[in-house]
Amino acid sequence: KAGVTQTPRYLIKTRGQQVTLSCSPISGHRSVSWYQQTPGQGLQFLFEYFSETQRNKGNFPGRFSGRQFSNSRSEMNVSTLELGDSALYLCASSMGQGSDTQYFGPGTRLTVL
Amino acid sequence: QQQVKQSPQSLIVQKGGISIINCAYENTAFDYFPWYQQFPGKGPALLIAIRPDVSEKKEGRFTISFNKSAKQFSLHIMDSQPGDSATYFCAAKNSGSARQLTFGSGTQLTVLP
Repeated sequence: KAGVTQTPRYLIKTRGQQVTLSCSPISGHRSVSWYQQTPGQGLQFLFEYFSETQRNKGNFPGRFSGRQFSNSRSEMNVSTLELGDSALYLCASSMGQGSDTQYFGPGTRLTVL
Repeated sequence: QQQVKQSPQSLIVQKGGISIINCAYENTAFDYFPWYQQFPGKGPALLIAIRPDVSEKKEGRFTISFNKSAKQFSLHIMDSQPGDSATYFCAAKNSGSARQLTFGSGTQLTVLP
């Protein structure tokens, strides 16, 4: 099976812009979680989607949002970018029901100038 | 109460030696404890995971030891190899259907040839 894919892999934006990141989970997986990784804060949970519904949300401002489509693909959006949003954004895929195992994609490196 | 504390921050081991990384948690609702390995420029890769009803789990050269009463768990890498040089993260998940992982701060492992 193909692994988790994330696009784009690298992104450079300026403050105030918005950005959309995409994640395609492993085939058959219905749960997608998003994490932010920075040198200072480490790996932090953003939100989880299962069957197109947000099931859980981390402690991030409302500028961070996401959605999931019927084919389980997910997108996350960050509006009004700030310098501190520069990070590696990771998507993790899980079967969902009855499975806690999460498989991570390679991430999208976002740089905000 | 959601924190997972990981130590040491960095570790240098000779080839063939044993690498030991420790994690401690407070939240007794955690019921799933995975370890991830991350190479530079890559997403975290699942190594091994354990549940609180098991005190030890071994997969190849990797062993998790789990002490439920002390709320601690550790990763042992036997016969460490230069290719094991990476950052290792412990994590924990709350019981329930949501798949939010709380991560430790990471350990940078260097295995000298």
